[in-house]
Order: sequence, then C-alpha cells, then structure tokens
Amino acid sequence: DGGITQSPKYLFRKEGQNVTLSCEQNLNHDAMYWYRQDPGQGLRLIYYSQIVNDFQKGDIAEGYSVSREKKESFPLTVTSAQKNPTAFYLCASRMTSSSQETQYFGPGTRLLVL
Amino acid sequence: GEDVEQSLFLSVREGDSSVINCTYTDSSSTYLYWYKQEPGAGLQLLTYIFSNMDMKQDQRLTVLLNKKDKHLSLRIADTQTGDSAIYFCAESKGNYGQNFVFGPGTRLSVLP
Repeated sequence: DGGITQSPKYLFRKEGQNVTLSCEQNLNHDAMYWYRQDPGQGLRLIYYSQIVNDFQKGDIAEGYSVSREKKESFPLTVTSAQKNPTAFYLCASRMTSSSQETQYFGPGTRLLVL
Repeated sequence: GEDVEQSLFLSVREGDSSVINCTYTDSSSTYLYWYKQEPGAGLQLLTYIFSNMDMKQDQRLTVLLNKKDKHLSLRIADTQTGDSAIYFCAESKGNYGQNFVFGPGTRLSVLP
C-alpha cells in the first residue's frame, strides 16, 4: 500500500536538545511539507520541498531545519533554538498535474518538552 | 484581513445538511481546499476547487466559491455521525501554489 509514515508517534525533548522527526512516503510524490499544529489552531507551514535537494522556508521556519536527500524522505530537525516546540507535527506529500491534485498527510508526531 | 477565517463550531442534526463557511485572503490563490481531521489524526484532503470555478460537487460534498467576496463554503448533504470532525479550509499561495495557509478549523458536531 502506498502511503506516508511519520515516526515516532510521541517524542520527548529535553532542554537544549535537538530532535529529528521522520517522514517517509512511497507515493512517488515530488513535493513534501512540514506543518505545525497547536491546540485549537490550523496548520502553519514550517518548510516545504518541491524536488530532491531543494527546500524552502515556510511561515515559521525559525528553530527548525530540514533535508531532502531522497525523494521519499523529508526529515525535520527541531533545534534548541526553537523555544516553544511543544506541538503536533504533520508531514504531507503532494502531486499535481494539469487535471488533478493529490495530497496525503502522515498520522503526525506529538512533541513534548520535558 | 491577513488570516483565513472560519467559524469555530457548528452543530447539526443527523440527516440535515451542514454548511461550513470560510473567507480567504488572496484573490490570486490558485486552489482552495477543504480538509477533514478526526481526533488525534492527520488531515484528509476532502476536496478542492480551482479558482476559475464557481462550484464543485463530489457525492455528498458541494463546494461553492465566490471570488468577489473571497468566500468559500462546504456543504455536506445528509450529515452522518461519522462526519463529526474538524474541517479546515486552506488557500495555496505563491508562484507555484506551494505555500498553504490554513484557517483555524470548524468543529462539526453531529447530533443524533
């Protein structure tokens, strides 16, 4: 089955620690996205990547970093510079054509600060 | 305004129609989207509409777009208890429509 997976489901971060969230897709989608969701709010775009080895900052990129070395993988690192990292993180992939748009979201990773 | 706006709550009786409204910000947005999120889960893309369309129907879902007022609505016919969820509208901005801006979500409660 094609899909998009995120791991871990829950992640705990200590003060000053960098943590990395995994996102993998086997849909052969070119574009991938990272969003942050806070309670009672919509999603906010952190980073996106249209193709391998290229990525762009979204609206709230400060304190985060990404890489896109392979088409199927788009890991997100939450650095110690992100002072309020507690949130629900969602990864998505997207394929567009002249007649259709397809998007899939992963199940999310909940990050908590100890 | 700067934000995509939605009313936060909607309650309907099972079998009635639900209408969820959204106002967006950028008249040049290429696509407008509706997503569904169930508790503790990721989002599911329900439907989308290209900005040069006024209406799109997909089974029980009808999307209406008023570009003049930057108003988008999602109508769910014959609402079922399984439709209870949070519904987000979003617009895609930027040269290639790659920058998504989401509304805060409307929590739909379906009463038996």
